[in-house]
Amino acid sequence: DAGVTQSPTHLIKTRGQQVTLRCSPKSGHDTVSWYQQALGQGPQFIFQYYEEEERQRGNFPDRFSGHQFPNYSSELNVNALLLGDSALYLCASSFQGMYTDTQYFGPGTRLTVL
Amino acid sequence: QQPVQSPQAVILREGEDAVINCSSSKALYSVHWYRQKHGEAPVFLMILLKGGEQKGHDKISASFNEKKQQSSLYLTASQLSYSGTYFCGTTLSSGSARQLTFGSGTQLTVLP
Repeated sequence: DAGVTQSPTHLIKTRGQQVTLRCSPKSGHDTVSWYQQALGQGPQFIFQYYEEEERQRGNFPDRFSGHQFPNYSSELNVNALLLGDSALYLCASSFQGMYTDTQYFGPGTRLTVL
Repeated sequence: QQPVQSPQAVILREGEDAVINCSSSKALYSVHWYRQKHGEAPVFLMILLKGGEQKGHDKISASFNEKKQQSSLYLTASQLSYSGTYFCGTTLSSGSARQLTFGSGTQLTVLP
């Protein structure tokens, strides 16, 4: 049973560029949430996708956008990169039918903005 | 809205016990506990729903005090493998869109 997968593992970009990160949920899961984790901090919620729609959004600017595909995989796009966007980006998947909404995390994408 | 974790860091010897607390100023629906090792993804440990239940597996257990809006994670007879940063994540709503808000973490180091 494959867990949550993310690609790429690492990414280096320069300020002003755009980046796309990808996530495939755990088998049987239909909901994908994205988090940003700065060094030494807990994960910060960016947004959650279910049925190909953004269902909830955290306190992140519009430069952060996403998409969910019919196969439940998801992309996170960040435009006009800033130095402060350097972080570990985590994707977590869950199954909407479970009332407990347990989220399982992928290994993350380490983004460095120079 | 972010839950407050305490202590920020703890150092133990193998076999010793530890307690990590997670408090919220808001009424919680659920508390999720994760452990993250350096350079790795957070790993799910357990979830507690409002109702004051207590859960556990192996020598790690947790409780949820609904009156105090506080959860505690108990690590008994700690092992070297318990080292890592422990995060609690909380949800406020029982609705369909349950946003997890994480605390800043507790760094646990178990020494031989």
